[in-house]
Amino acid sequence: DAKTTQPNSMESNEEEPVHLPCNHSTISGTDYIHWYRQLPSQGPEYVIHGLTSNVNNRMASLAIAEDRKSSTLILHRATLRDAAVYYCILRDRLDYGGSQGNLIFGKGTKLSVKP
Amino acid sequence: GAGVSQSPRYKVAKRGQDVALRCDPISGHVSLFWYQQALGQGPEFLTYFQNEAQLDKSGLPSDRFFAERPEGSVSTLKIQRTQQEDSAVYLCASSLAQGQASPLHFGNGTRLTVT
Repeated sequence: DAKTTQPNSMESNEEEPVHLPCNHSTISGTDYIHWYRQLPSQGPEYVIHGLTSNVNNRMASLAIAEDRKSSTLILHRATLRDAAVYYCILRDRLDYGGSQGNLIFGKGTKLSVKP
Repeated sequence: GAGVSQSPRYKVAKRGQDVALRCDPISGHVSLFWYQQALGQGPEFLTYFQNEAQLDKSGLPSDRFFAERPEGSVSTLKIQRTQQEDSAVYLCASSLAQGQASPLHFGNGTRLTVT
């Protein structure tokens, strides 16, 4: 299974942008790049995903390198509520005649946000 | 709308007891996953259902773990003869459809403590 590498922790100041990096040098051509985050005492929460092009949604932006071997999750203005563990995940494709895969989590990046 | 609901939120079991953990997925979601999360680690895949069919149980750590989803909706994870190493948070997730792009929606988990 293709793996991802993320820094263990990062710090940010409130209301400043945050760039969370992820390396995935062994990504295959059809792996999607997913980001989830997990707030304390909660289950993981979907943030964003992409395949090749950069993606934007109301929560964040995802910038994907041209060779797809790395990506960056961008929080445009960090708030205290964004303090969480952020997981970068390659969606493992298991073909059951319909292509479904589970999520393989690493340890993620623990983001701290300072007021 | 209602998200994924798990019960109980906390469970304390004496070593050797059997436990049953319940997951109510989002209505209409085809896919259902169970994950186990040890303290300080990312979630680890246990098993996957597509409707009532258990298509992947490769992550179940031993034959003491059993999961079912008899009517393709509610799922139960059962652990027989619990051991201390079973202490963890058990997370359930559902997704609307099969396929890599369909995000997973997680419940807040059941924290199991085996004494």
